Amino acid sequence: DVKVTQSSRYLVKRTGEKVFLECVQDMDHENMFWYRQDPGLGLRLIYFSYDVKMKEKGDIPEGYSVSREKKERFSLILESASTNQTSMYLCASSLSGTLYEQYFGPGTRLTVT
Amino acid sequence: LAKTTQPISMDSYEGQEVNITCSHNNIATNDYITWYQQFPSQGPRFIIQGYKTKVTNEVASLFIPADRKSSTLSLPRVSLSDTAVYYCLVFGPGRRALTFGSGTRLQVQP
Repeated sequence: DVKVTQSSRYLVKRTGEKVFLECVQDMDHENMFWYRQDPGLGLRLIYFSYDVKMKEKGDIPEGYSVSREKKERFSLILESASTNQTSMYLCASSLSGTLYEQYFGPGTRLTVT
Repeated sequence: LAKTTQPISMDSYEGQEVNITCSHNNIATNDYITWYQQFPSQGPRFIIQGYKTKVTNEVASLFIPADRKSSTLSLPRVSLSDTAVYYCLVFGPGRRALTFGSGTRLQVQP
């Protein structure tokens, strides 16, 4: 089974802190994704990566950056956390040829106070 | 990018068949229809994909009419554990990302 793990299930940070969310997948997938999920808004894509060191902006990249130094790991960085970044963050991965079939991690619920 | 419209919520009882319809009027010729399921406190899970007619797997069936402007996810004999949010997505070659809407919240009652 594909396994996507995220570094924390729950995280509480203060406004202005730099926040790192880590995601690791164990199936040698080329594609990796970061989404945020908010009530009534569904999942919105923040960034994705289709190869090591490659990244593309999703629908809501403002306030976020990403890093992919190794194929199995994709990090989401909040440079200066703000309260409107309080959300559920979901990481996903997929093979390059099966973008429609993404495997999701359990999510990190981030609260910024 | 084809926009999808699906009901916000549905209620059912255990043992019933549930059909969730998704509208995608401007679907492109090369687009596929994909459905995901999300349980509370978990990430979404891919359940089925189709292009036309009918697709069936161990979880669900997907019915797509000839004009492909809509699709119906069918869950046979639902149980309490089928309570989840179901997302309909349209996806085509050359696209780099999926677009999730708000989904349909299915509540199964005893």
